Amino acid sequence: GQNIDQPTEMTATEGAIVQINCTYQTSGFNGLFWYQQHAGEAPTFLSYNVLDGLEEKGRFSSFLSRSKGYSYLLLKELQMKDSASYLCAVRTPNNNAGNMLTFGGGTRLMVKP
Amino acid sequence: DTEVTQTPKHLVMGMTNKKSLKCEQHMGHRAMYWYKQKAKKPPELMFVYSYEKLSINESVPSRFSPECPNSSLLNLHLHALQPEDSALYLCASSQGRAGILFFGPGTRLTVL
Repeated sequence: GQNIDQPTEMTATEGAIVQINCTYQTSGFNGLFWYQQHAGEAPTFLSYNVLDGLEEKGRFSSFLSRSKGYSYLLLKELQMKDSASYLCAVRTPNNNAGNMLTFGGGTRLMVKP
Repeated sequence: DTEVTQTPKHLVMGMTNKKSLKCEQHMGHRAMYWYKQKAKKPPELMFVYSYEKLSINESVPSRFSPECPNSSLLNLHLHALQPEDSALYLCASSQGRAGILFFGPGTRLTVL
């Protein structure tokens, strides 16, 4: 089976930096995704890692270590609008469809003034 | 056009009703997906269509019936649903099976 773990909730202060961790144990690995989801809305794509290292995109960065089964999402200069759930998702091979995406439980981030 | 659209936004139905959810994308993506999401839970994969053929059915009950009329459209036909089927139903598409998933806004379904 697939096992993807993230903290359930985190709280941080506006203007600060927060790191959301994700660990995974899956049958195969073809990439790791981070999505942001505001309450009642659809997930929106934030970042994608398939090789080890750091990917930076503005205030958001994502890191991957395949040997450790570990990723993190780093959010800098936090803003109130960053309050949302952050979903870690791993793409794994599937015999029928080539690949499939499995989501972790999500981390609800609350940004306080 | 870089978005996935879904209709309706909200749907309330009785257990004996038949209804359909619709999804459309014009990004030329050849893989389309249905996900189900309960409150405070992650999305759960239901179906995957690849090149208009059903390639994954994650043991979904037969009261959910997907249909892919063409490469831009994806439907989910609902019949004899149960109250526990109430959830947010998300459609997504990707450029092939290796691409990033783009999600539609979802249909909030309530079964009475």
